[in-house]
Amino acid sequence: GAVVSQHPSRVICKSGTSVKIECRSLDFQATTMFWYRQFPKQSLMLMATSNEGSKATYEQGVEKDKFLINHASLTLSTLTVTSAHPEDSSFYICSARGHWDTEAFFGQGTRLTVV
Amino acid sequence: AQSVTQPDIHITVSEGASLELRCNYSYGATPYLFWYVQSPGQGLQLLLKYFSGDTLVQGIKGFEAEFKRSQSSFNLRKPSVHWSDAAEYFCAVGANTGTASKLTFGTGTRLQVTL
Repeated sequence: GAVVSQHPSRVICKSGTSVKIECRSLDFQATTMFWYRQFPKQSLMLMATSNEGSKATYEQGVEKDKFLINHASLTLSTLTVTSAHPEDSSFYICSARGHWDTEAFFGQGTRLTVV
Repeated sequence: AQSVTQPDIHITVSEGASLELRCNYSYGATPYLFWYVQSPGQGLQLLLKYFSGDTLVQGIKGFEAEFKRSQSSFNLRKPSVHWSDAAEYFCAVGANTGTASKLTFGTGTRLQVTL
């Protein structure tokens, strides 16, 4: 149980375009989802926390208009990188937590490359 | 605010040797503590976690960790390392509240295993 799936696992896009990354909880209802970003050979940094049906809470320094997060259902959250630039290239990982869970479960991550 | 320190950026051990990866945390109360492993280009796999109770925690793949409140540490150990254990290891701390799943990660320790 507690499986979280991210899609796509890898994506290459042109500079200026937008990219959507999906995070799905396959066998539980995710009331809270978290989005992290990992630069090469660095740790994971929390970008935002989203609760189903409400606006995401962004960490300091994360551009809300750049990284759009939607958590419209209990099994799906999306991260849209708008007007992507090469500096947005990174590894993005989501995690999801059910209402009664004390821990969140991680997806496999998405490698974004902007060219 | 919570924080995690992993003092060792890179560790090299011989296959069959014992391993200890250090982790120190800062948190005002008893934290939730986690160890994750990440292979290159992959997501995070949970090795073990500590929420409460027995301070010696057993995890997958033969790993264990000991919570020492007096030292604010949660070091990861394995008695005999296998070549397949080569990866990046992250220690993380979560708040002992409903937001336990909002994690703060250490900078990671890269483990290299020599044959």
